Amino acid sequence: RKEVEQDPGPFNVPEGATVAFNCTYSNSASQSFFWYRQDCRKEPKLLMSVYSSGNEDGRFTAQLNRASQYISLLIRDSKLSDSATYLCVVNFRGGKLIFGQGTELSVKP
Amino acid sequence: NAGVTQTPKFQVLKTGQSMTLQCAQDMNHNSMYWYRQDPGMGLRLIYYSASEGTTDKGEVPNGYNVSRLNKREFSLRLESAAPSQTSVYFCAIPGQVDNEQFFGPGTRLTVL
Repeated sequence: RKEVEQDPGPFNVPEGATVAFNCTYSNSASQSFFWYRQDCRKEPKLLMSVYSSGNEDGRFTAQLNRASQYISLLIRDSKLSDSATYLCVVNFRGGKLIFGQGTELSVKP
Repeated sequence: NAGVTQTPKFQVLKTGQSMTLQCAQDMNHNSMYWYRQDPGMGLRLIYYSASEGTTDKGEVPNGYNVSRLNKREFSLRLESAAPSQTSVYFCAIPGQVDNEQFFGPGTRLTVL
């Protein structure tokens, strides 16, 4: 079993749609959780951290369920500019990040 | 990417050739990391350095060596390149808030 698993997609959605990405992780001792965005094989960039209480940043909402070892990202009112690959990332300990394989999103006009 | 620079941006090697990928940071962090990214496999940690003069293996260290001679620079060396090392290589430093990491622009390496 992979340490961090994501549905690779691709997710093809129309502009304005709501789309949800899911991620599971295997190590219950994981400490920190993130969603990164990656465009066209450029470097990954932090989209948002994920907290147990849930957090929201504009159209983006992230949730963490430690009991189920599950992380989610919800994007509301999708824009063309949201097209990218979204990486689920977990920090087990010592600053070393474990990456999911990424979920590709394509938002169409 | 003012915090992390990587050189070169692109490189093509023949099997058996050697090269060094360079990474430099201007954020004065103790820790630095090298990752590789292959299609469908996310990023995997090759080596990391917790401080100047120290290095440790990550998930996929075979075929690579690293050097952290000073706080600012962390280099990754391929002594005898193989086609399996064709990949995109990213250097990273710690972020500012939650144990996240900040990535350099990457080096795209092709080994023929």
